[in-house]
Amino acid sequence: DAKTTQPPSMDCAEGRAANLPCNHSTISGNEYVYWYRQIHSQGPQYIIHGLKNNETNEMASLIITEDRKSSTLILPHATLRDTAVYYCIVRGGTTDSWGKLQFGAGTQVVVTP
Amino acid sequence: DAGITQSPRHKVTETGTPVTLRCHQTENHRYMYWYRQDPGHGLRLIHYSYGVKDTDKGEVSDGYSVSRSKTEDFLLTLESATSSQTSVYFCAISEFPGAGELFFGEGSRLTVL
Repeated sequence: DAKTTQPPSMDCAEGRAANLPCNHSTISGNEYVYWYRQIHSQGPQYIIHGLKNNETNEMASLIITEDRKSSTLILPHATLRDTAVYYCIVRGGTTDSWGKLQFGAGTQVVVTP
Repeated sequence: DAGITQSPRHKVTETGTPVTLRCHQTENHRYMYWYRQDPGHGLRLIHYSYGVKDTDKGEVSDGYSVSRSKTEDFLLTLESATSSQTSVYFCAISEFPGAGELFFGEGSRLTVL
């Protein structure tokens, strides 16, 4: 699976949108971009994933560039409960992937009042 | 939230003793996984299961064994615990093996003295 690069940390003001970047320049055609987050001392939580098109759900939006070499996770109205480590993961869509999520260091997001 | 329960949540044991961690799910998902999380290493896949009695190794399987006699239960056993196995262990489940989200449990913190 392709490797991802994320900034180590970022701050966001409560109520503002948080835009989390991720580079995945070696992504291949059948690989998906996943985002998870981990709130301190809890298990990782799935946020969203996409292949080519932008995606939106109740938690966030995922914007994938046309060349698919980077993506941005958008938390539209950050709250204090969104403080967490956010992981951008690239994973194949075949059975060979078998849950083999390669969690890197992620981005520590701190939402401040 | 997905119905995943890990037990015990915390355990302290001594080197050389056997330890079994249990993951119980109520979602009837076919696929189950055990990860460990350590500072500087992120989450690493230990073993996974793609059905009752069907299991396979992940990237850090040495020193661990697993069993799955029922859909809802996935057991991780350390036959003879070592200090290097001190970690936080997470169980995860998924409905599909390839694309799709993983749902994680709350983790089991194991300390081997």
